[in-house]
Amino acid sequence: QVQLQQSGPGLVKPSQTLSLTCAISGDSVSSNSAAWNWIRQSPSRGLEWLGRTYYRSKWYNDYAVSVKSRITINSDTSKNQFSLQLNSVTPEDTALYFCARRYCSGGSCYELDYWGQGTLVTVSS
Amino acid sequence: DVVMTQTPLSLSVTPGQPASISCKSSQSLLHSDGKTYLYWYLQKPGQSPHLLIYATSSRFSGVPDRFSGSGSGTDFTLKISRVEAEDVGVYYCMQGLYLPWTFGQGTRVEIK
Repeated sequence: QVQLQQSGPGLVKPSQTLSLTCAISGDSVSSNSAAWNWIRQSPSRGLEWLGRTYYRSKWYNDYAVSVKSRITINSDTSKNQFSLQLNSVTPEDTALYFCARRYCSGGSCYELDYWGQGTLVTVSS
Repeated sequence: DVVMTQTPLSLSVTPGQPASISCKSSQSLLHSDGKTYLYWYLQKPGQSPHLLIYATSSRFSGVPDRFSGSGSGTDFTLKISRVEAEDVGVYYCMQGLYLPWTFGQGTRVEIK
C-alpha cells in the first residue's frame, strides 16, 4: 500500500520560501513507472497542478507556467521523498498543498492515484 | 491551458436515486494511442481527493460499480447509479493529456 506523508511549516512570511516534503512508503521515488506531483487547492483557484518530478534513466521535471519562475521540485533517493520549494511567496500562495503519485502499468496510467494528507500553508506576516 | 467546465456545480440527491455530472474540455482529450485522458476524483469532507475513474471509463481499484464514466473527445459524464450517503463530497474531473493538468471547478453532491 502506497502512502505519502507530507511535512513542512504551515506559516510562511511574504517574500520567503515555502518548503514542503512528501515522504513515500510502498514505492520508490526513483521508480520508472511513477511520477511525483504537487497540487494545491484554494477557494479562489480551485485545484491547481503545480509540477512533477520523475526518473527515466535521469531526472525530469515539469512545472506549471503560472509558477515556473518560482518553483523547484527535487527528489531525495536516500530518504525516498520529494520536495516542493516555492520562492517569493505572496498571500495568493495561501492554499492547501498536496503531493500525489502518477503510476503507469500494463498500458494504463493512473494519474494522481495516491495523495498525501494535505498541508495548509498560510502566507502572512 | 485546457479549460474544464463542470455542470452542475451542486447536486442534491435522494439516497438510491441516480446522479449525473457533466464535464466539458476546451480541447479534445483523445491521444494518438487511442486513449482519452480524462479522470474523475471525489474529495470527501476533510479528506484529500481520491481517484474514481481513469481514461474516461475505467474504475480505479476498489471503486464501487455504481460509479461509471463515459464520453469522448470533449464531452464526458460521471454517473452514480444509486447514490449512497457515503458518496457525499465534491467531484472533480481532470484532464491528463496537456500539461499543465487542469481540473474542473467541482460539483458538490449532497444527500437530501
